[in-house]
This record gives sequence, structure tokens and C-alpha cells, in this order.
Amino acid sequence: GEDVEQSLFLSVREGDSSVINCTYTDSSSTYLYWYKQEPGAGLQLLTYIFSNMDMKQDQRLTVLLNKKDKHLSLRIADTQTGDSAIYFCAESRANRDDKIIFGKGTRLHILP
Amino acid sequence: GAVVSQHPSWVICKSGTSVKIECRSLDFQATTMFWYRQFPKQSLMLMATSNEGSKATYEQGVEKDKFLINHASLTLSTLTVTSAHPEDSSFYICSAGDTVRGRDTEAFFGQGTRLTVV
Repeated sequence: GEDVEQSLFLSVREGDSSVINCTYTDSSSTYLYWYKQEPGAGLQLLTYIFSNMDMKQDQRLTVLLNKKDKHLSLRIADTQTGDSAIYFCAESRANRDDKIIFGKGTRLHILP
Repeated sequence: GAVVSQHPSWVICKSGTSVKIECRSLDFQATTMFWYRQFPKQSLMLMATSNEGSKATYEQGVEKDKFLINHASLTLSTLTVTSAHPEDSSFYICSAGDTVRGRDTEAFFGQGTRLTVV
């Protein structure tokens, strides 16, 4: 099957690191993505990683990929109130015409 | 759970013709729906925000006269690709939020539509 799973909620104190986890079932996934959706807005691509990479870092964001366990995580360092949003994990596979499969999203709540 | 149904899932059309894609929220009402396009081997690009009862808001670079969006009811938004050309071939996907139950910040995705223009 083609499933992407992630927990629905995460609460983090301002200034701490947030780690959002995602698991997927398709071992042939080519690209793995993290999208952010702020209230009332569409999806914003945060970052993506190729399946042959283990890690990708971009400023406060760090993506870790464990291909063996089919586990993807997004770490946000020094979490700020502006990071409050829903974060979607997604994957696509070249031989599936690159169709993107999304998880249900993790709502990140920032505590003062 | 909330379900968004998108139809058709696959369509092939001739150049110059128009194609309509429907996005329906089956068990909830959605004031706002989003339309995305995915280019081959790339991530999604937001095309427009569809607002029930009013004009859609298009992202920069998206031709509103070519991609007509109609959101006539709280459960249906349509995207019409007019005078389609081969470069319009792409994967189109919609998403919607459950406005009434206050879950409008959650995105429920349609299955997507693969458009091939020949």
C-alpha cells in the first residue's frame, strides 16, 4: 500500500527544538517532502530530500531519513511562535508518475 | 474522517479543448479549497485559492483566464483548464478544510487528476 503516517499533534515550548516524525510504507519512494500550512493558507514547501540522502540541513531545519526503517523526521531548532502550523510529510516515486502521497499532518503548537 | 473526492483521476484530451476537474468535500463543508499543480519530478505548486461565492485568488504567474476556478457551493470547486496545450499536462490536486467544524486549518486532499494533453 501507499501510506504516510504521522502523529496529529505536537506541543513544544518556545525556544526548544521540535521534532516531527513520519513513517511511510513505500520503499521505492524517490523524494520525501515536508510542507507547512499556516492557518487559512495553502501548502508551502519547506524542504525535500532525495531517498539516497540521510540528512539535509537548511538553517533551522534538519531532515533525517532512515531508509531502512522508512522513517523521516523534521527538526526545527529554536522553535518560534511563527512556526505554529500544520506540517505535512509527503513522498513520491518516479515510477508512480511522481504522484505525491501526503500524511494527515502534524499540528505544531507552541507553548509560551 | 473528512473525505475529498476529486474527479476524474485520469484524463487525456486533445490540444485546444477544455477539461474540467471537480473537487468535492463529501462529508463536510469547505469555504476554501486549494488547487495545486505538480510538475514532473517536482513538488506541488499552489495555483490558486478557491473561495466559496467569490472569485478565486491566483498565485503569481498562474493565468486566471486559462485556469478557471468556480466554487459555487460549500462542497464543490471546479478547475477548468481552457484551450489545453501539451505543456498543461500535469498532476492537479485539490485540498479543502472543514470550515464548519473549525478544522479549516487541516488539509484533506483529493486523489489528484493526471491530465495528459495530446
